[in-house]
Amino acid sequence: GQNIDQPTEMTATEGAIVQINCTYQTSGFNGLFWYQQHAGEAPTFLSYNVLDGLEEKGRFSSFLSRSKGYSYLLLKELQMKDSASYLCAGLYSGAGSYQLTFGKGTKLSVIP
Amino acid sequence: GAVVSQHPSRVICKSGTSVKIECRSLDFQATTMFWYRQFPKQSLMLMATSNEGSKATYEQGVEKDKFLINHASLTLSTLTVTSAHPEDSSFYICSARSPPGTTYEQYFGPGTRLTVT
Repeated sequence: GQNIDQPTEMTATEGAIVQINCTYQTSGFNGLFWYQQHAGEAPTFLSYNVLDGLEEKGRFSSFLSRSKGYSYLLLKELQMKDSASYLCAGLYSGAGSYQLTFGKGTKLSVIP
Repeated sequence: GAVVSQHPSRVICKSGTSVKIECRSLDFQATTMFWYRQFPKQSLMLMATSNEGSKATYEQGVEKDKFLINHASLTLSTLTVTSAHPEDSSFYICSARSPPGTTYEQYFGPGTRLTVT
């Protein structure tokens, strides 16, 4: 399988910066997604990295290193509403199709 | 952006009955839709890949006779949980893949909370 590993929980202070790391298996890998999921809701798209490097989108940035099988999501100027689970998902190809494999998610708690 | 709807959002049914969940792509045609299940504090687990006009591809360990998937049109896929049992209680989420030639992004529906009593 394509193991996607990320920390289970993290806590950070409002206004601070937090980095959520994700490692994945590189065999069959095509790209890396980050999703945000609030409790009881469906995931919402945050970012998609295909090439190495940093993609910045407002307060959120995502980094990818294909050679290292590593990505991170960087959240700046944390707000209370950022408390959610953040899912790392790898896009893998095989048998003529593409599939997303999700990590177990990192539950981020933002405290005052 | 692409919108995926799911109906119903919540359903409670008795053990032994069947429940149908609908997933629609509202503003784009989706040749491929996915069905996921998520238990509390767990990640999304892919159940099956639904391709329009053909049989669904089920993941290992998912009973295809229990979880019936029909993808009859480019905008609608349905999941029917047959003879539901309490252990089938879960959050079921569908997603539709963005059109060919784009980013392979998946757009998720809002999910259906199934409770089997």
